[in-house]
Amino acid sequence: QSALTQPASVSGSPGQSITISCTGTSSDVGIYNYVSWYQLHPGKAPKLMIYDVSNRPSGVSIRFSGSKSGNTASLTISGLQAEDEADYYCNSYTTSSTPVFGTGTKVTVL
Amino acid sequence: QVQLVESGGGLVKPGGSLRLSCAASGFTFSDYYMSWIRQAPGKGLEWVSYISSSGSTIYYADSVKGRFTISRDNAKNSLYLQMNSLRAEDTAVFYCARLTHVRFDYWGQGTLVTVSS
Repeated sequence: QSALTQPASVSGSPGQSITISCTGTSSDVGIYNYVSWYQLHPGKAPKLMIYDVSNRPSGVSIRFSGSKSGNTASLTISGLQAEDEADYYCNSYTTSSTPVFGTGTKVTVL
Repeated sequence: QVQLVESGGGLVKPGGSLRLSCAASGFTFSDYYMSWIRQAPGKGLEWVSYISSSGSTIYYADSVKGRFTISRDNAKNSLYLQMNSLRAEDTAVFYCARLTHVRFDYWGQGTLVTVSS
C-alpha cells in the first residue's frame, strides 16, 4: 500500500487560511469516508484533528475543517495561528483492511 | 483521562530483538482495538500493526510481517510489540495508539528504537 500524497510544506500568515491536500486512490480515500488528520508537534503525542473526513473531536478548534472530493481529501485551517505550526498527516482506511498514512505536510506560520 | 505510556525502546544490534510495551489507563482497554505506528528519523508516520479488542484479529504492514508480533493482555491493560530480526531501517519512534472505528483517537508519547552496530 503506497502512502497517500501530501504537499511537503504549506505556509501562511497569521489570520490566513491554508489547505492541505491528501491524494489517494479508489482503494482508499476514494472509496471510504474514513479519512482522518493528525497534528504532530515535536516531543508531544500526536493529536487527532479530524475523523471520518469532516468530523472534529471534542476540544479541537472549529478553525480546523475537512472535506473530500473523489480521491483527494483536504484539511483547511482558518484564521491561522502560531500554535498551528506543526506537521500534519492524513490517514485513510483501505480495501486491504489496513490504514495508510500520508507523506506529511509541514505547516509554517510566517 | 486516557493515557498510553510506551516503554521498552533502546539500542539494539542488527538482527537483534526487542519487546515494546504500552500501558493503558483511563478507559476500558478490553473494549478497543489497539495499534502500533512508527516514525523513522526525518520521515513520515508509518502504520505498523493493529490488534482487535479480543486479540483474534491482527494485521501487519508488509515491512514488518514475519518479524514483528503484536499481542495484548487485557487483564494487565497492556499492548505489546515483539520485534525480531531488527534492521537499521526499523530505527524509529514507536507510538502506541487507541483505534476507534478506523481512527487513532489517542496516542502515547512514543519510545525510541535504535538499531545500530
